[in-house]
Amino acid sequence: DAKTTQPNSMESNEEEPVHLPCNHSTISGTDYIHWYRQLPSQGPEYVIHGLTSNVNNRMASLAIAEDRKSSTLILHRATLRDAAVYYCILFAGNMLTFGGGTRLMVKP
Amino acid sequence: DAGVIQSPRHEVTEMGQEVTLRCKPISGHDYLFWYRQTMMRGLELLIYFNNNVPIDDSGMPEDRFSAKMPNASFSTLKIQPSEPRDSAVYFCASSLVPVNEQYFGPGTRLTVT
Repeated sequence: DAKTTQPNSMESNEEEPVHLPCNHSTISGTDYIHWYRQLPSQGPEYVIHGLTSNVNNRMASLAIAEDRKSSTLILHRATLRDAAVYYCILFAGNMLTFGGGTRLMVKP
Repeated sequence: DAGVIQSPRHEVTEMGQEVTLRCKPISGHDYLFWYRQTMMRGLELLIYFNNNVPIDDSGMPEDRFSAKMPNASFSTLKIQPSEPRDSAVYFCASSLVPVNEQYFGPGTRLTVT
């Protein structure tokens, strides 16, 4: 299975943008890049996904490298409620395979 | 819609007992997924169904675990007999089309003593 690599943790200041990186050098042409987040004591929550082009939604933006070997989740203005574990996942075969994720801490 | 509903939210049982976890997916979703989350192993997919049919159960740890989906609005995950190492949070998720978002339930925290 194609794997993703994320930093274990990141810190951000409230109301500043956050760029969460993800490396997926073994991605195949049909793998979608998905991002989920998990707030404390809750189930994972979908954030965004894409295949080749950059994507924007109300929660975040996803920037995908031209060679697709890496991507970046962008939170435009971090709030305290964005403190969570963020998972970058390569979606293949109808299945999500979660890795360790990045724990985002937001400082007031 | 109320979202994915799981019951019970917490379950404490003794080793050797049978445990049944329940899930009601979002109406109209054709895919249902069962995950398990532990500190050691993170989030793991156990099994998923499409139109009530199990498609991939390669993540089910062993024969003590079984999952059923008798109809489109109900699924169960059963552990018999339970062991302390089964202690985890079990999540159910559903989706209309897997490549799009999966909606997760609040989870069932299982403790086996």
